Amino acid sequence: AQSVSQHNHHVILSEAASLELGCNYSYGGTVNLFWYVQYPGQHLQLLLKYFSGDPLVKGIKGFEAEFIKSKFSFNLRKPSVQWSDTAEYFCAVNFSNYGQNFVFGPGTRLSVLP
Amino acid sequence: EAQVTQNPRYLITVTGKKLTVTCSQNMNHEYMSWYRQDPGLGLRQIYYSMNVEVTDKGDVPEGYKVSRKEKRNFPLILESPSPNQTSLYFCASKGDLSYNEQFFGPGTRLTVL
Repeated sequence: AQSVSQHNHHVILSEAASLELGCNYSYGGTVNLFWYVQYPGQHLQLLLKYFSGDPLVKGIKGFEAEFIKSKFSFNLRKPSVQWSDTAEYFCAVNFSNYGQNFVFGPGTRLSVLP
Repeated sequence: EAQVTQNPRYLITVTGKKLTVTCSQNMNHEYMSWYRQDPGLGLRQIYYSMNVEVTDKGDVPEGYKVSRKEKRNFPLILESPSPNQTSLYFCASKGDLSYNEQFFGPGTRLTVL
């Protein structure tokens, strides 16, 4: 079965620190990749997505992600985090050979200390 | 305002008592989906629908039913809820089958005693 893993369960950073959250998936075919953010008590919002083309994609709020096909990875980065980035982050993959089934990673909780 | 709505937002029920969680979207989206969110497991897809009268199982369909009789509505039905279905449920929709962004509803927190 397809699966998505996220390297860290909980990350704690100080403001202005750089962020990198890891995401790996299990399938070697064509994929569509997403990062979602969930602020406390809220629903999921899309940060960025990759379908094809430039493997470095830029999203909202200064986030970016790099797709490395050979490593089955789609890591999320931000050069300088803010307290308002405190949230849970989910990587999601649509495995195209499996139709419209979307698989989410378990999530990484980010706490940014002021 | 374009949105996905869910009702109820909070529900406490007892084992075996049938319940329905409604989901509605006003964006004329073809695709709708249900997820459950559990700590440490992320979101897991329960069922999805690519159009009216077309539904498919996700990763965790056991104990759930869905129907898609109208494009805008996609109710989730628990015929005989059990405590292991206590969870946070999200409905989502997207415009077409070309893997665009899913829009999520506000969530329904269900507790089964």
